[in-house]
Formats: sequence, C-alpha cells, structure tokens
Amino acid sequence: DNQMTQSPSSLSASVGDRVTITCRASQSIRRYLSWYQQKPGKAPKLLIYAASTLQSGVPSRFSGSGSGTDFTLTISSLQPEDVATYYCQQSYITPPYTFGQGTELKIK
Amino acid sequence: EVQLVESGGGLVQPGGSLRLSCAASGFTFSSYWMSWVRQAPGKGLEWVANIKGDGSEMYYVDSLKGRFTISRDNTKNSLYLQLNSLKAEDTAVYYCARVGHSDCFDYWGQGTLVTVSS
Repeated sequence: DNQMTQSPSSLSASVGDRVTITCRASQSIRRYLSWYQQKPGKAPKLLIYAASTLQSGVPSRFSGSGSGTDFTLTISSLQPEDVATYYCQQSYITPPYTFGQGTELKIK
Repeated sequence: EVQLVESGGGLVQPGGSLRLSCAASGFTFSSYWMSWVRQAPGKGLEWVANIKGDGSEMYYVDSLKGRFTISRDNTKNSLYLQLNSLKAEDTAVYYCARVGHSDCFDYWGQGTLVTVSS
C-alpha cells in the first residue's frame, strides 16, 4: 500500500498567518492527491484535487502544490473558521485509497 | 444539489450484522463510482470499499474482505454496505462518498454511527 505521511500532526497559528501542511507519499502518485477539511462532528469536505485544483466554492486562500511524492496545502491568511483537521489522500495506486493521518489546525 | 444521506447505523453485538444505506440525489447516480469511508472515534479516515457506476466492479480494503459487501441499486439511487461478523474495532462513523475527478471524494454524506459492543 502507498503510505501517506502528513506533517506536522498538529499546529497552532495566529489569524492572518500563512500556514503550510505537507504530505509525503511512499511511492510516486504523480498528481493524484486530494486535500480534505474536517470540522468537529462534521463530514470531510473536499478542498483540492489533482494536487492543485480548487474545488468549486472553496475560498481562494487555500492552495495546493506538488507532484510525485511531496505535496503541500497552503492557507495564505488563516481565518478563525479554518480551525479543523486536514487530510491528504492519494488515488493513484489503488486499491486501497489511502489517507494521511491528519493535521489538526488550531488558532493561537 | 448533490445530497448523500446515510442510514442504518446503530448498536450491534460482536458477531452481528448490519446493513447501511446511502440515498443519493441531485446527480446521475449510475454514472459515478461510489465509496464507503469510515472513521473510528478520535481516529483518521479509512477507505472501506468502492463500486463502479453499473455495479460491475467492486474493490475492498484487504483487511475487510469477506466480511463487508458493497452493492448498489441504481433504480433506487441507493448505495449499500452489508457488514457481517462485526468486531469491536469496526465501531466507527461510516460515510458514503461520491468518487469525482482524479478519484477524489467530492461529496460526502453526514455519516452513520455503527457501535459494536456487548
């Protein structure tokens, strides 16, 4: 299976900060990488697919980059409503589809 | 508007069975692969299974093969997950999700909680 490793596991940042979360695949997944946001008690929500394509309706402060094994999710200016856990997911070497372990984002 | 609504979760004893359902609306259901993803309490996301639009292909995570069965009824716009021989470690919220571009999960239901306990 293709293992997905996110870092950090948790982070705290201030409103307005630029925040970056990384995701590393154990084998190349080309650009078959998606990012999800999950708020407490809610279902995950797709933010980005194909490594850098913003899902319709997602604020433009979210962006994704990378290819092969290394990917990043960036929030350009952190907002209070961005408090959530973020997951990456690969869909190139399937089955199974695999998720990262999650990054919990908090406000300082 | 795309909507996915799961049902069928509940409390079941170890070794028991349960059938989860997901009612889909707002899109041409038969044109899409669909998946089940689960999340144990306080844990991350785990893909469980998926099924092709016409129901002709199904795939499962290796650890669950033989106990869980995914199916669909395109006449009812519904997705199902049959859970057999349930174990405590199957306790989780089960989400149905539509498979979109580049095999992302572009829409999710609200989830249904399965609790396996005596």
